[in-house]
Amino acid sequence: GAGVSQSPSNKVTEKGKDVELRCDPISGHTALYWYRQRLGQGLEFLIYFQGNSAPDKSGLPSDRFSAERTGESVSTLTIQRTQQEDSAVYLCASSLVQGDSYGYTFGSGTRLTVV
Amino acid sequence: SQQGEEDPQALSIQEGENATMNCSYKTSINNLQWYRQNSGRGLVHLILIRSNEREKHSGRLRVTLDTSKKSSSLLITASRAADTASYFCATGNMDTGRRALTFGSGTRLQVQP
Repeated sequence: GAGVSQSPSNKVTEKGKDVELRCDPISGHTALYWYRQRLGQGLEFLIYFQGNSAPDKSGLPSDRFSAERTGESVSTLTIQRTQQEDSAVYLCASSLVQGDSYGYTFGSGTRLTVV
Repeated sequence: SQQGEEDPQALSIQEGENATMNCSYKTSINNLQWYRQNSGRGLVHLILIRSNEREKHSGRLRVTLDTSKKSSSLLITASRAADTASYFCATGNMDTGRRALTFGSGTRLQVQP
């Protein structure tokens, strides 16, 4: 597609429920990244995927968080047993290749509210 | 503390004035990038400056990089109300090998019409 697409745009969930967030990267972009942004703060790295290589999961805050990506297409971020501190905007980005040598294209994010 | 830290945290200027934002980082880098974020949603890539470059221009944007001081600045000239946004610097980390960008906490720019 023309840009990075994330769904849903907004999600309100009850504490303890599982949620799944989706990201469609730009076609041809081999690298995909997930970040979390709490209100008024900077971006917190969660995970990135590069082609068929093992993902870098070093930013995932707990084992309640997991992510998958099939090949160079859609990625899903799953949060199990959601907690109120999980409330944030979850941003997905893709780039032509992995790393810091190219600009990232971001989606509009999913605003997650845990009540 | 964070890899990229912007200064000031908030800046308010009048339309037509210049806005300068600074970024400091701690590790060895390949490149440094600047992004803009409107209304707390997706970020937009503005400019990338490589570690062997000292200055780069793009339209009304001017970026400088001083690798000896591990700092960068973003200058927006002749600001407009539409420039109101948060601005973030971002770098990779050659020391740890993590290639995903690390972002600072941002500068919130308010341009008064």
